[in-house]
Amino acid sequence: QVQLQESGPGLVKPSQTLSLTCTVSGDSISSGSYYWSWIRQPAGGGLQWIGHIQTSESVNYNPFLKSRVTISSDTSKNQFSLRLSSVTAADTAVYYCARDSFWSKYCNTTSCYNTEYFQYWGQGTLVSVSS
Amino acid sequence: QSVLTQPPSVSAAPGQKVTISCSGSSSNIGTNYVSWYQQLPRTAPKLLIYDNDKRFSGIPDRFSGSKSGSSATLGITGLQTGDEADYYCGTWDSSLSAAVFGGGTKVTVL
Repeated sequence: QVQLQESGPGLVKPSQTLSLTCTVSGDSISSGSYYWSWIRQPAGGGLQWIGHIQTSESVNYNPFLKSRVTISSDTSKNQFSLRLSSVTAADTAVYYCARDSFWSKYCNTTSCYNTEYFQYWGQGTLVSVSS
Repeated sequence: QSVLTQPPSVSAAPGQKVTISCSGSSSNIGTNYVSWYQQLPRTAPKLLIYDNDKRFSGIPDRFSGSKSGSSATLGITGLQTGDEADYYCGTWDSSLSAAVFGGGTKVTVL
């Protein structure tokens, strides 16, 4: 059974860098079969995708966060990590990691028809940004 | 402001059916496949439907998904009190090159 567990500080000061790690069990992040995503949810709000990683060469970020986000992986520990710099109160949220199925089901001359869905989620970790 | 649009809430009596709409555009739902998630209070989201209409492992057939053009719909039949939750649609947006979600719909069982 695939399980994911987020870990990291629950409190970060404004302007500093938020760092979280997701430890995966029941699957190998180095298999290349899946992407591994970070998603966040502010209190009372909806879901916001932050980005995902398949290999160190295959990483995508939400364009609205791209300038502040880095996602990396440590295959030896079967972990992947999130770094979000220059945080503000608006970054206060529950942060989830998830296993992500993403691929192009087919492509024609004009478009690719993609599927993406998040099969397994961690329990989430609350990160508050406050001085 | 979410890229995909969902109604904030829907409700029905136990045993009845509800449908939740998810509206997008040609760059997201119009081109790519849709998934649906259930989030019970104080828990992580759980995958219900993927590839527009496929139920994930262990999901009862009371839950169904469909897509037409740039909109998608989640249906729940035989509504139960345990179905009270927030429901989110999601897909890939080819213009943004990003995964996007709806704002969520709260289902209330009357």
